[in-house]
Amino acid sequence: EAQVTQNPRYLITVTGKKLTVTCSQNMNHEYMSWYRQDPGLGLRQIYYSMNVEVTDKGDVPEGYKVSRKEKRNFPLILESPSPNQTSLYFCASREREGTYNEQFFGPGTRLTVL
Amino acid sequence: KNQVEQSPQSLIILEGKNCTLQCNYTVSPFSNLRWYKQDTGRGPVSLTIMTFSENTKSNGRYTATLDADTKQSSLHITASQLSDSASYICVVSAAYGGSQGNLIFGKGTKLSVKP
Repeated sequence: EAQVTQNPRYLITVTGKKLTVTCSQNMNHEYMSWYRQDPGLGLRQIYYSMNVEVTDKGDVPEGYKVSRKEKRNFPLILESPSPNQTSLYFCASREREGTYNEQFFGPGTRLTVL
Repeated sequence: KNQVEQSPQSLIILEGKNCTLQCNYTVSPFSNLRWYKQDTGRGPVSLTIMTFSENTKSNGRYTATLDADTKQSSLHITASQLSDSASYICVVSAAYGGSQGNLIFGKGTKLSVKP
């Protein structure tokens, strides 16, 4: 089954403790991205990657890092999480950066930073 | 500035009734418009994608319309079911290539269908 998977689905952590949220897709997609979703603000892009070893900042990149060493994986790293990073996070992928390609979203990771 | 505005912000309807959600955009140059359904706490799922040349597109009980001249789209839900309770997100794609800037998200309309 074609899908985007994320782990963990739920995470409660404390300020300053480094964490990684994994994202993997099995559709051989070139383009992957991370979003956060907060009440009243909608989905906002954090980082995106157009292919292996190619990443760039989205709208709200501060406090986050990403890497794209393999085509299928695109982990999101919070080096020193803070409470304002408490949010619902989605990974997404599409075939390539073209404008008509359908985008598939993962199931989400609910992160709470105390 | 490229923007996507959705209305209403929230909507409550009775099971079996029809409803229409609105999306206005100022994205230019326009490439396509998508409607997503997002169940609470889950990832958005695509309902329809329309280019500027498509006026209407259906997916079961969901029918999306697009007026590229007035930069408006609507999503009509027929004979609503309890499972239609979700947020519906309008996303407009700009025609310039690549990068993160070409998908502009609306904030969504939260639909609640009551028995």
